[in-house]
Amino acid sequence: DAGVIQSPRHEVTEMGQEVTLRCKPISGHNSLFWYRQTMMRGLELLIYFNNNVPIDDSGMPEDRFSAKMPNASFSTLKIQPSEPRDSAVYFCASSGGTGLSNEQFFGPGTRLTVL
Amino acid sequence: DQQVKQNSPSLSVQEGRISILNCDYTNSMFDYFLWYKKYPAEGPTFLISISSIKDKNEDGRFTVFLNKSAKHLSLHIVPSQPGDSAVYFCAARGFQKLVFGTGTRLLVSP
Repeated sequence: DAGVIQSPRHEVTEMGQEVTLRCKPISGHNSLFWYRQTMMRGLELLIYFNNNVPIDDSGMPEDRFSAKMPNASFSTLKIQPSEPRDSAVYFCASSGGTGLSNEQFFGPGTRLTVL
Repeated sequence: DQQVKQNSPSLSVQEGRISILNCDYTNSMFDYFLWYKKYPAEGPTFLISISSIKDKNEDGRFTVFLNKSAKHLSLHIVPSQPGDSAVYFCAARGFQKLVFGTGTRLLVSP
């Protein structure tokens, strides 16, 4: 099993540009989560999907952030326009079962730097 | 407003000794607690968990203790090994979410 796959691993962009992060969950998992890691706040849940449907997006910081899951094997997190304070590591995680399972499997993360 | 707090950003111990990582939470509705370990350039990986109906769970060198009255949990690693050097995140489950702490960086020196 390849595990959760995220791309790109690193992204450097300039303020105002659109950024798209991608995630492929583990095959068979039906819950997908997007997290952001910062030094000050640790790992924050941004949004999670169950069976491709967004269940809770209360962690999305503002309207500049959007996430989609068009099918069971792919999800995107988009930031438009990006700002320097969006610089962080963004993780995607997936889990099996309905709702929030006890164990989530994380991808390697995307390190985003907004200049 | 941090509902899950790890007040020690770092901890250094010698190989063979005990490592104790602490975590405090504020929400009494949390029903399950987990510890994740994270190496550099990798995603967090699940380590051990405990239900709110228990006060101890052990898995090899790793033991998690839960004190519900104090809203406190701790992870004990005995004996500590250099390969345990990583960032450890405490997480609590509630309202269909996992809420993570800010992490504690453990360094185990030979």
